[in-house]
Amino acid sequence: SAVISQKPSRDICQRGTSLTIQCQVDSQVTMMFWYRQQPGQSLTLIATANQGSEATYESGFVIDKFPISRPNLTFSTLTVSNMSPEDSSIYLCSVESSREGTDTQYFGPGTRLTVL
Amino acid sequence: LAKTTQPISMDSYEGQEVNITCSHNNIATNDYITWYQQFPSQGPRFIIQGYKTKVTNEVASLFIPADRKSSTLSLPRVSLSDTAVYYCLVGDGSGGSYIPTFGRGTSLIVHP
Repeated sequence: SAVISQKPSRDICQRGTSLTIQCQVDSQVTMMFWYRQQPGQSLTLIATANQGSEATYESGFVIDKFPISRPNLTFSTLTVSNMSPEDSSIYLCSVESSREGTDTQYFGPGTRLTVL
Repeated sequence: LAKTTQPISMDSYEGQEVNITCSHNNIATNDYITWYQQFPSQGPRFIIQGYKTKVTNEVASLFIPADRKSSTLSLPRVSLSDTAVYYCLVGDGSGGSYIPTFGRGTSLIVHP
């Protein structure tokens, strides 16, 4: 399985500022995903990031608010821009990796963001 | 995208076997069934994955009937540390455009 790390693990930010979250994988992967999990809720997919192409955003999420970079096959960043208290969530990155011949998702530990 | 339906919550006691059933009536031919476990403030952790019949690993078993419209995660002899939210996902694990979608999950509480 893939080992995924995220930085920072948590942060408290002021409204109107931006935060960039980093996701590092210990192996090369084609597909990376960014999720948001609001308090007490399930995970919601923000976007899919493939290396060498623009990220694909899900309904309700836009590039201006959540710009994503994917410079290589082991790294990605998600920026939460112009933050408001409603952006307080856990942000998770995940990767798709082959496991015994099938594609499986593995998740990072998450970044807990609190916006004041 | 295949949708899943699970019980919102379940209660059990230490040492008991817990079975969590997930319905996925519109599962596609290429879809695999994957279960994840999530503790508070952590990312989901892969538990088990299967396509049909029965799959068993060191932590759980997954039972999938012939029509594949449901699946059951079985946790043998649960302990307090198994208290978590369990998610069932279906998606194309054969190299297709797999966009995993999480439902609400099942919150399992294990009592002493």
